[in-house]
Amino acid sequence: AQTVTQSQPEMSVQEAETVTLSCTYDTSENNYYLFWYKQPPSRQMILVIRQEAYKQQNATENRFSVNFQKAAKSFSLKISDSQLGDTAMYFCAFMNRVPGGATNKLIFGTGTLLAVQP
Amino acid sequence: GAVVSQHPSWVICKSGTSVKIECRSLDFHATTMFWYRQFPKQSLMLMATSNEGSKATYEQGVEKDKFLINHASLTLSTLTVTSAHPEDSSFYICSATRTGSSNQPQHFGDGTRLSIL
Repeated sequence: AQTVTQSQPEMSVQEAETVTLSCTYDTSENNYYLFWYKQPPSRQMILVIRQEAYKQQNATENRFSVNFQKAAKSFSLKISDSQLGDTAMYFCAFMNRVPGGATNKLIFGTGTLLAVQP
Repeated sequence: GAVVSQHPSWVICKSGTSVKIECRSLDFHATTMFWYRQFPKQSLMLMATSNEGSKATYEQGVEKDKFLINHASLTLSTLTVTSAHPEDSSFYICSATRTGSSNQPQHFGDGTRLSIL
């Protein structure tokens, strides 16, 4: 069974600084997807960034980027120029790539609560 | 696009009553939807996978008779918490993926806060 581990329950960063959230996962599969979701106090789940395992290039979305190390099964999220609105719970998630186009379930880590300090 | 609406957003009811939560994909068809439960400061726990026109697939430890799931159309899945008790109080979230767009990110509803008195 796949598992996702986030070893940092809480983190804090000063506004405009850079912070990295760690995530490791365990799987025997070769084709899969990895995601970072953000859940602010409103509790809405917001997709931050997505990485396809077969792509070596790290995904980037504006101030958000990942460091995907497939051999090490590591998928960290870097937030640059942190903003107060980045304060939220961040969840790392894994999804197997399913042949035939079906939709597979997400497996979430335990989350990292990020506080951006003014 | 890809908006998922969940209703109600907050419900308070007496112990013993049944509560129905709706999850709608507003601008796309969703053959598959997912129901999650989240306790305060914890992660999302998958309860079941809802499949249009067929029975839901429940995760281990989730009571099928307690949490009834119906996915009668390509845009609507419902979760009914039957004979709810205080321990069922939680935050319930649904998600959906556009039919035909395989292996795409799931789009989440805004969640339902259920409080059983």
